[in-house]
Amino acid sequence: DAGITQSPRHKVTETGTPVTLRCHQTENHRYMYWYRQDPGHGLRLIHYSYGVKDTDKGEVSDGYSVSRSKTEDFLLTLESATSSQTSVYFCATTPRTGLQETQYFGPGTRLLVL
Amino acid sequence: AQSVTQLDSQVPVFEEAPVELRCNYSSSVSVYLFWYVQYPNQGLQLLLKYLSGSTLVKGINGFEAEFNKSQTSFHLRKPSVHISDTAEYFCAVSEIGGGSEKLVFGKGTKLTVNP
Repeated sequence: DAGITQSPRHKVTETGTPVTLRCHQTENHRYMYWYRQDPGHGLRLIHYSYGVKDTDKGEVSDGYSVSRSKTEDFLLTLESATSSQTSVYFCATTPRTGLQETQYFGPGTRLLVL
Repeated sequence: AQSVTQLDSQVPVFEEAPVELRCNYSSSVSVYLFWYVQYPNQGLQLLLKYLSGSTLVKGINGFEAEFNKSQTSFHLRKPSVHISDTAEYFCAVSEIGGGSEKLVFGKGTKLTVNP
């Protein structure tokens, strides 16, 4: 399994505050993804990265930004958290481009916005 | 754009019984198909995937799935389940040549195996 860690694992914050979630991988995988998981919605792609400093939007990118300054780290920032962003956030990686590639998931971050 | 429908949100079964989790997809082009499993409080991990070739795909933990192009389905099966198979299962699809890195997930099926 790819070594993927996410921090923090749990966070409670207040509406309007900025929040940054970190994904760290030790496998030198090129592609990294951020998803959110909500009951009844499955997983939805927020943003993804196809290399250092190369990112693109996913299905539900409004209210989120990302940065990737080095291969191993992919940061997700909620500029001003809202209650609708309460969710479980998963990071995933793939070693190469290609839609046939398996995605490897981190353990998730549970975020509660009050 | 592709979409995935998992027909059952919850499936309760007894231990050692067979199970089938249903998945249908919609796409205007050829697709790759995946099943992922999520155990409680964990991330997702790949069970199996269909890329090409034989339509019957075998995965980990005794699961298998059959790709049916005419029915646009990719149902997951296991002949005899264990308590440890209790988890949420996600079907996912990506379009070949779709010009996107997007893997689209279904909403998930919660499998509960009872003793």
